[in-house]
Amino acid sequence: GQQLNQSPQSMFIQEGEDVSMNCTSSSIFNTWLWYKQDPGEGPVLLIALYKAGELTSNGRLTAQFGITRKDSFLNISASIPSDVGIYFCAGPRLAGNMLTFGGGTRLMVKP
Amino acid sequence: GAVVSQHPSWVICKSGTSVKIECRSLDFQATTMFWYRQFPKQSLMLMATSNEGSKATYEQGVEKDKFLINHASLTLSTLTVTSAHPEDSSFYICSARDPRQGSNQPQHFGDGTRLSIL
Repeated sequence: GQQLNQSPQSMFIQEGEDVSMNCTSSSIFNTWLWYKQDPGEGPVLLIALYKAGELTSNGRLTAQFGITRKDSFLNISASIPSDVGIYFCAGPRLAGNMLTFGGGTRLMVKP
Repeated sequence: GAVVSQHPSWVICKSGTSVKIECRSLDFQATTMFWYRQFPKQSLMLMATSNEGSKATYEQGVEKDKFLINHASLTLSTLTVTSAHPEDSSFYICSARDPRQGSNQPQHFGDGTRLSIL
């Protein structure tokens, strides 16, 4: 089935540094979603990508939908302590509205 | 924006107890809602798709008699973990998509329910 491989699994960075994480698949996705999950809460949508090659920003966050439709990356610039959390990529299955999630990237920011 | 509410946020109960978790769409109607389970340090795994007015669709390996889903109205889906055991302890999260936002729009998630079975 469709699987999303997310890397890195975790990152420990200094406040102010830029962060990059990515998501790849052996299958084509028509939509790529990036969510952030804080401890004990549900995921919150950060960015949605709908077109191959699309580059979208949301404040300090930038995400791109790969041309091959098989990958996406998320960048966070000038990280701050509240960026701490788990970041998930997700994409809808070919049939139905169900989402497949990547394994997540756990981000830790040292003040 | 679209809001999904989950209740309760935390449940601690004895083994053998049945636990009901509610998922509500607060400002939109959802004919379909989704239930996920998340174990510590793992990703979200889809358990089932809840369909208003009809039977839920369960993912492979998820016992439908163990995890009862009822979607009796367009704004409420419930997940009942029957005769819960310690291995059912997990973080359960629901989601729904606002149909007013178009068929390609992403799902909105509830804040999750932490279930701990003693």
